[in-house]
Amino acid sequence: GAVVSQHPSWVICKSGTSVKIECRSLDFQATTMFWYRQFPKQSLMLMATSNEGSKATYEQGVEKDKFLINHASLTLSTLTVTSAHPEDSSFYICSAEGLAGGTDTQYFGPGTRLTVL
Amino acid sequence: GQNIDQPTEMTATEGAIVQINCTYQTSGFNGLFWYQQHAGEAPTFLSYNVLDGLEEKGRFSSFLSRSKGYSYLLLKELQMKDSASYLCAVSSNTDKLIFGTGTRLQVFP
Repeated sequence: GAVVSQHPSWVICKSGTSVKIECRSLDFQATTMFWYRQFPKQSLMLMATSNEGSKATYEQGVEKDKFLINHASLTLSTLTVTSAHPEDSSFYICSAEGLAGGTDTQYFGPGTRLTVL
Repeated sequence: GQNIDQPTEMTATEGAIVQINCTYQTSGFNGLFWYQQHAGEAPTFLSYNVLDGLEEKGRFSSFLSRSKGYSYLLLKELQMKDSASYLCAVSSNTDKLIFGTGTRLQVFP
């Protein structure tokens, strides 16, 4: 149980284009999903918290107009990187909150590696 | 401020025991998580502690002392496949997790 999928697993795009990443909880419903970014040899940095049916909450320093988040249903959240630039190249990971061991636990998707040329 | 500290790297031998420490200072505490992350992959959940003491799960155990702001992950009977990064993460008053930088463990034969 508690499987989270992401699509695509990797993407290469040209500078200036937009890229959409999907995050799905496959066997549970998640009212809350999280989007993280991870640069090589660094830890996960939270970008935003996504709640079903409401606007996402962005962390300080994350541009909401550049990283558009839509949590359309209890099993799907999408992150769109608009007008991507080489500095946006990173490993993007989503997580969905589910119940485990008596507490809400974040289950992570397999990640999406974005390379912007 | 929020701060979580872990050693950057550790090495150990197959079959041995290794302890990875984590100290934290956060505004609010709602539990501490340990995740394992292999290179290029997403983190996988290992353990959760919210009360003081030791939680054992097979070869892995996790300990918490809230008064000291301290936790450790203990890995026994190390295997080559245990070579990975181990992330300590604290849940503050909200649902958000604050991650440490992770400890890269390398297991040698």
